[in-house]
Amino acid sequence: TQLLEQSPQFLSIQEGENLTVYCNSSSVFSSLQWYRQEPGEGPVLLVTVVTGGEVKKLKRLTFQFGDARKDSSLHITAAQTGDTGLYLCAGAKNNDMRFGAGTRLTVKP
Amino acid sequence: DTEVTQTPKHLVMGMTNKKSLKCEQHMGHRAMYWYKQKAKKPPELMFVYSYEKLSINESVPSRFSPECPNSSLLNLHLHALQPEDSALYLCASSQNVQARSQETQYFGPGTRLLVL
Repeated sequence: TQLLEQSPQFLSIQEGENLTVYCNSSSVFSSLQWYRQEPGEGPVLLVTVVTGGEVKKLKRLTFQFGDARKDSSLHITAAQTGDTGLYLCAGAKNNDMRFGAGTRLTVKP
Repeated sequence: DTEVTQTPKHLVMGMTNKKSLKCEQHMGHRAMYWYKQKAKKPPELMFVYSYEKLSINESVPSRFSPECPNSSLLNLHLHALQPEDSALYLCASSQNVQARSQETQYFGPGTRLLVL
């Protein structure tokens, strides 16, 4: 059983569309990270959220941490082909970090 | 600078070989991690070192032996591996758990290991 459930698992959209990826858990985390990973490379950090209810924006990406610090979402506005990749959420507590299964996003031109 | 370096980038080894993976960071981080990632799966935690002491071992087989010689270096010694151990091995580091904002882990590019 995955500690962190990510949905959807796969997402294929046209360039210019908006999308939201969800990361849910029954556990409370002290912080939650979103990473993007290209094939054969290490995950690259996009954002860390720490406070319940926190919203962070990174250009066209908006990240939200749930009030109870159990869930998070990633919203991409006007997706571009360069956004294609694997998006991973990871919940951390006491040096222990667990990943969701990931959302594989394909943005078509 | 948030760089974690890993060597080698690729490694092919036989089941009787002994090899080592190396990881280095110069961010002053005091926690370092090894993860294993199989194709189309998320990274799975193997080991955590905190202040150069092993703090988490996720029931990893003894053919994997971690070592933290100092606060900047982390090694993973490999011996008598099996073909199913073939995977991407990722190293990460974080400042440590003194505050929630310091838990963020920064990953290296990984070592792609093939066991024949």
